Amino acid sequence: EVQLLESGGGLVQPGGSLRLSCAASEFTFSNYAMTWVRQVPGKGLEWVSAISASGVNTYYAESVKGRFTISRDNSKNTLHLQMNSLRAEDTAVYYCAKGIVGGYPYYFDYWGQGTLVTVSS
Amino acid sequence: DIVLTQSPDSLAVSLGERATINCKSSQSLLYRSNNKIYLAWYQQKPGQPPKLLIYWASTRDSGVPDRFSGSGSGTEFTLTISGLQAEDVAVYYCQQYYSTSYTFGQGTKLEIK
Repeated sequence: EVQLLESGGGLVQPGGSLRLSCAASEFTFSNYAMTWVRQVPGKGLEWVSAISASGVNTYYAESVKGRFTISRDNSKNTLHLQMNSLRAEDTAVYYCAKGIVGGYPYYFDYWGQGTLVTVSS
Repeated sequence: DIVLTQSPDSLAVSLGERATINCKSSQSLLYRSNNKIYLAWYQQKPGQPPKLLIYWASTRDSGVPDRFSGSGSGTEFTLTISGLQAEDVAVYYCQQYYSTSYTFGQGTKLEIK
């Protein structure tokens, strides 16, 4: 069974930085695009960023463009999200999810359990 | 960005009855070159991550009960749950992947009447 395990969440002050990781297992990680989706507790889903299987192509929501950087290490089956200049409105549970093909995630067939990021002073 | 608007925001249906959730897109999600509709549906139960139910607007994911069905074309789509069961209580989201700026509907909360 596909496993996705997020880590790195926590409490950070406004303007601070945080790096999320997602450890993938039980599938050939290097063959699939991946994505980050966030959810303010009690609210809806918001797509954040995506990356192709090779890591060459990256995509960002306007709300995080220029502040967040998605990357992957296919040798370690790990997805990352570097979050800089964090704002209160970035507070959310961050999920990593697996796409269905390599170039472009399309829809997301497996999701991790999420990691909570809280931006507050 | 493509805006997805779901209706209703919440819905209460009796056990065994049919639940219908709608999703309207601000632009067509039909990609003419392959005649596919770039829309998925997810189910999210409390304290859990979303679970994929339907993709390409009407294809059920593996293991999804056949009481779940998706339909629609162009800009208007429907998720139907026939014969509602207690375990179907959840929030349901549509998602478009026509644009590389993915978007979700705001969610529809389904409860038992």
